[in-house]
Amino acid sequence: EAQVTQNPRYLITVTGKKLTVTCSQNMNHEYMSWYRQDPGLGLRQIYYSMNVEVTDKGDVPEGYKVSRKEKRNFPLILESPSPNQTSLYFCASSLSSGRNEQYFGPGTRLTVT
Amino acid sequence: DAKTTQPPSMDCAEGRAANLPCNHSTISGNEYVYWYRQIHSQGPQYIIHGLKNNETNEMASLIITEDRKSSTLILPHATLRDTAVYYCIVRVEGEGNFGNEKLTFGTGTRLTIIP
Repeated sequence: EAQVTQNPRYLITVTGKKLTVTCSQNMNHEYMSWYRQDPGLGLRQIYYSMNVEVTDKGDVPEGYKVSRKEKRNFPLILESPSPNQTSLYFCASSLSSGRNEQYFGPGTRLTVT
Repeated sequence: DAKTTQPPSMDCAEGRAANLPCNHSTISGNEYVYWYRQIHSQGPQYIIHGLKNNETNEMASLIITEDRKSSTLILPHATLRDTAVYYCIVRVEGEGNFGNEKLTFGTGTRLTIIP
């Protein structure tokens, strides 16, 4: 089944403890992206990647890192999480840049205390 | 990307057709109309898109007016599982995005299917 998977789905952590949210797609998509969703603010893009080893900042990249060493994986790294990063996170992918049919993962609900 | 306007909420009886409107009066000639939906706290789901012709797939139909200033998403036989927030997005496809396919979701229409 074609899908985007994220792990973990739920995470409660403390300020400053490094964490990684994994994202994987099995559709051989070139383009991948991370969003966060907060009440009243909608979906905001954090980082995106047009292909392996090509990443760039979205609208709200502060406090986050990403890497794209393989086409299928696009992990989101929080080196020192803070409470303002408490949010619902979504990973998305599409066949390539220029194709707007995007497939989203199920989401990761992160709470930082 | 062109701005879109959608009603904040709509109800539809189960089994009936749900017709969701979207206004995009400033749409440009090379901008497509896309529809996504988000069931509560799940990842957004692509539904359908079109440029100027009407489109149909297994999920829905998209009717775009001749002047392209508005469109309607039609769910032909709504079920309870169609209760979600529906987003209409207008944007270019291809090189106009410079490689970033960021989707900008507005407030959408909250569709409630009534049993």
